[in-house]
Amino acid sequence: EVQLVESGGGLVQPGGSLRLSCAASGFTFSDHYMDWVRQAPGKGLEWVGRTRNKANSYTTEYAASVKGRFTISRDDSKNSLYLQMNNLKTEDTAVYYCARVGVVAGNYYFDYWGQGALVTVSS
Amino acid sequence: DIQMTQSPSSLSASVGDRVTITCRASQDINNYLVWFQQKPGKAPKSLIYGASSLQSGVPSKFSGSGSGTDFTLTISSLQPEDFATYYCQQYKTYPITFGQGTRLEIK
Repeated sequence: EVQLVESGGGLVQPGGSLRLSCAASGFTFSDHYMDWVRQAPGKGLEWVGRTRNKANSYTTEYAASVKGRFTISRDDSKNSLYLQMNNLKTEDTAVYYCARVGVVAGNYYFDYWGQGALVTVSS
Repeated sequence: DIQMTQSPSSLSASVGDRVTITCRASQDINNYLVWFQQKPGKAPKSLIYGASSLQSGVPSKFSGSGSGTDFTLTISSLQPEDFATYYCQQYKTYPITFGQGTRLEIK
């Protein structure tokens, strides 16, 4: 069974930093691209960014709203995905989900999601 | 960026009804579209990928259609567990973008 479990959320002051982790199990983590998606309270879904797999040189993509402040990384030996968030702003307050990218017939889409980790940026 | 616009934003329906939600992309995304269902306090769940392919384990009451810029999600024979918020999302180009969501409520 595919499982994705986020951790590391909490309360942080504006300008502060936080690191989220996502522990994966039930599949070959190293084969998959992995993404972060967030959802502000009562709002819709916003894509944060992606890390590709080793075969694609672990390259990354980011949303403009987080580029230069957030860094996505992974440790395939630990089946773990990370989101380092620096210079946090109040508008970064959200539930952060990690999501697995499944590939079927050329379709790269989110097929499994974690339960989410709440990040609150407030003074 | 590709804008995804869903309609309606909210929808009231009764158990047993059939409903259709539409999603329009601001430019051609071929069929690189996925539909998600999200219940309060829960993670999204993928229903349809490639605009019309049913995700494994999802009941056939859910169906998707469309290509290019216009897409639909149809849910037949609504049951209480189907009342949720539904999102479309394109994965043709970066940044990946979502529709604003359609809240399906019990009438």
